[in-house]
Amino acid sequence: NAGVTQTPKFQVLKTGQSMTLQCAQDMNHEYMSWYRQDPGMGLRLIHYSVGAGITDQGEVPNGYNVSRSTTEDFPLRLLSAAPSQTSVYFCATKTGGLRETQYFGPGTRLLVL
Amino acid sequence: AQKITQTQPGMFVQEKEAVTLDCTYDTSDPSYGLFWYKQPSSGEMIFLIYQGSYDQQNATEGRYSLNFQKARKSANLVISASQLGDSAMYFCAMSLPYSGNTPLVFGKGTRLSVIA
Repeated sequence: NAGVTQTPKFQVLKTGQSMTLQCAQDMNHEYMSWYRQDPGMGLRLIHYSVGAGITDQGEVPNGYNVSRSTTEDFPLRLLSAAPSQTSVYFCATKTGGLRETQYFGPGTRLLVL
Repeated sequence: AQKITQTQPGMFVQEKEAVTLDCTYDTSDPSYGLFWYKQPSSGEMIFLIYQGSYDQQNATEGRYSLNFQKARKSANLVISASQLGDSAMYFCAMSLPYSGNTPLVFGKGTRLSVIA
């Protein structure tokens, strides 16, 4: 039981390049989300999904695309990387019910030059 | 809209002492959950403790306890007998489980430094 996995762990991009951050979970959670974490800004929600085929925007969606074709996978695509997208990216899943709990992946550190 | 406020950017505590990290929240929904997460320097987000809005007692998990004051809308984390390994960022978060599958809302965090 791996929980939430993210690849790669670290990536360097040049401005204008595109890439996909991968996120996979084996906990069969319907809800998945992507956050970025910047110094002094806490965690900011980029996109989230409440189930396969359903996605929605969070607080900072510009410059990012997502899709959810399966329950297990929720990739985040950077269409044309910019230095402002240098950040640490976390994928997370959330259980359902009253005592819902969110579980995070280990994070991807992205540097855009 | 719901909001989480953590007013302490940084805190210092002597090893073996207790420390309280502040968290206030704002929501008009009567049903909510409150969480604390720890983020050590290695970067991972670790779930620590949960408090439901209808829970009668304050949540406790080992050395962590949550001082839940509903009328004041506060959910402070108390760490007893601090250890050097407690040095980390701590985030307070809130969920609204009966308002559809909405995202958790996070505070900006408090950096705790434990001094030997």
